[in-house]
Amino acid sequence: QQQVRQSSQSLTVWEGETAILNCSYENSAFDYFPWYQQFPGEGPALLIAIRSVSDKKEDGRFTIFFNKREKNLSLHIKDSQPGDSATYFCAASPASSSFSKLVFGQGTSLSVVP
Amino acid sequence: GGIITQTPKFLIGQEGQKLTLKCQQNFNHDTMYWYRQDSGKGLRLIYYSITENDLQKGDLSEGYDASREKKSSFSLTVTSAQKNEMAVFLCASRQNTEVFFGKGTRLTVV
Repeated sequence: QQQVRQSSQSLTVWEGETAILNCSYENSAFDYFPWYQQFPGEGPALLIAIRSVSDKKEDGRFTIFFNKREKNLSLHIKDSQPGDSATYFCAASPASSSFSKLVFGQGTSLSVVP
Repeated sequence: GGIITQTPKFLIGQEGQKLTLKCQQNFNHDTMYWYRQDSGKGLRLIYYSITENDLQKGDLSEGYDASREKKSSFSLTVTSAQKNEMAVFLCASRQNTEVFFGKGTRLTVV
């Protein structure tokens, strides 16, 4: 049972476009939703995160849009750069676990073509 | 800043062999994790530990043992390696809501 689903295994965009990565979840108890970025040969690193009390979180070129009613969220990468080419993981955690149990989606491999 | 060091970086094992992966962190974080990463399946939690000598099973704990004898270290044992198994094992530690990952140990079983 996949509790966190990412709709695309891979995505290709042109440099300068906005890349949109989608994620959905099943567990209504999930309260915290981070996105992690992973480059080849490296471990994932936290990119941006949102709590379920918010519907939008922005950090530079990266924005999370969150829809609690529909149980989905998306990561928008504005003005995509070749250096953004990486795998992006959506994750979720219930606050009740003190954030100990983080559940990850399958990942979306983003390629930004110059 | 701190760092998570995983050893070895690459591990080749024989079918049925018992294999141990090691992880050290100098963040002084209480909670540590072991995740398995398979292509197309994301990261799946094997074991985690919220303090020294504590162990909690994740969704994928069968076939693995773990040990947290010191706050700074967390080791994972594959009890019997499966033939043709290939995966990356990621160690992590947590401060508040942020989880920090090591670079992984790449396991191949021949």
